[in-house]
Amino acid sequence: DAGVIQSPRHEVTEMGQEVTLRCKPISGHDYLFWYRQTMMRGLELLIYFNNNVPIDDSGMPEDRFSAKMPNASFSTLKIQPSEPRDSAVYFCASAHGMQPQHFGDGTRLSIL
Amino acid sequence: AQSVAQPEDQVNVAEGNPLTVKCTYSVSGNPYLFWYVQYPNRGLQFLLKYITGDNLVKGSYGFEAEFNKSQTSFHLKKPSALVSDSALYFCAVRDPSSASKIIFGSGTRLSIRP
Repeated sequence: DAGVIQSPRHEVTEMGQEVTLRCKPISGHDYLFWYRQTMMRGLELLIYFNNNVPIDDSGMPEDRFSAKMPNASFSTLKIQPSEPRDSAVYFCASAHGMQPQHFGDGTRLSIL
Repeated sequence: AQSVAQPEDQVNVAEGNPLTVKCTYSVSGNPYLFWYVQYPNRGLQFLLKYITGDNLVKGSYGFEAEFNKSQTSFHLKKPSALVSDSALYFCAVRDPSSASKIIFGSGTRLSIRP
């Protein structure tokens, strides 16, 4: 079991650029979650999917953020245009039904 | 609404001493509770969960948690702390609106001194 795989691990880009974060969930898991972690706000749920369908996106900060899950083995989180306040660690997690969530090691995003 | 509270931002313990990381919860219905740990530059890792049954739940790395319904608490414990236990610990509760969505506490940083 390779676990949840996120890429890239680190991203540094300039304000205004598009950022795409990627996630490969554990095979067989039917839930996928995107979180953001900052010192100020802690761990925030941005959006989650069930069977590739977005269920709750109420945590997405604003229209600059979008997430897709085109198939069961891949999801993206995009920020366009990016702003310095988007700097954070972004985590993807997956789960099977009511089982505990498994987290990737995150993408550390820095917007200059 | 479901919520968990971790009243301590930081807990400091000497190696070899017992440790407790506190968590209280507020739920409607039966609680479904978790503890996760986060090591530096890593994602959160599942430690243990409580659904029903014994109030003392055993988990990974020698950790256990005690469910107390009357005090609405789910404290994480370990009889003898190791320096390698130093990490960020999160208590969480399942959101009844979803089979898998959970609500995390603010986290407690545990520091074990040699």
